[in-house]
Amino acid sequence: KNQVEQSPQSLIILEGKNCTLQCNYTVSPFSNLRWYKQDTGRGPVSLTIMTFSENTKSNGRYTATLDADTKQSSLHITASQLSDSASYICVVSAGYGGATNKLIFGTGTLLAVQP
Amino acid sequence: NAGVTQTPKFRVLKTGQSMTLLCAQDMNHEYMYWYRQDPGMGLRLIHYSVGEGTTAKGEVPDGYNVSRLKKQNFLLGLESAAPSQTSVYFCASSAGGSNYNEQFFGPGTRLTVL
Repeated sequence: KNQVEQSPQSLIILEGKNCTLQCNYTVSPFSNLRWYKQDTGRGPVSLTIMTFSENTKSNGRYTATLDADTKQSSLHITASQLSDSASYICVVSAGYGGATNKLIFGTGTLLAVQP
Repeated sequence: NAGVTQTPKFRVLKTGQSMTLLCAQDMNHEYMYWYRQDPGMGLRLIHYSVGEGTTAKGEVPDGYNVSRLKKQNFLLGLESAAPSQTSVYFCASSAGGSNYNEQFFGPGTRLTVL
């Protein structure tokens, strides 16, 4: 069964600190892995997308890594800001491309950045 | 460029009532999707469309119908609402066809069925 598991479920950090969120997946066939940020009451917004051949991708203070051998990904947030408070969702695309691909969503890590 | 918009933002229904959720996108995307998000669960795909006039079932299609009469609009209908359909509904769109197939999400509709 295709599954995406995220840890921790929730995290509280102080403003300015770094943090790392984890994602483990069991998805076949693997197409790509995405990280989304979802602010409270809003829709998810894409942060990064990585294919099998990419092991790191950055978007500003967000850096995602992918280890396709161990089927693990992480999202590292550097110098956190209050606006980083949100749910971070790991999503794995299964399939060979196009409309037949299926997105498997994790349940998210809820991050709270405190002043 | 508004991206993906959804109406209404909130709605309360009584069991058995019907309603239609409207999704509109101005990015000329071919693919559109309807998801539901429930506490403690990842987003689940209800229905999707790969082009005007086409629709297909997703993971949890029961109790919902959809229509894509115009490329920019994707409607989600509940014919006889049930409390189990209380959820937050998200519409998304994508250019489609590529390996990346990045999806852009709307702001969501919070539906409560009493």
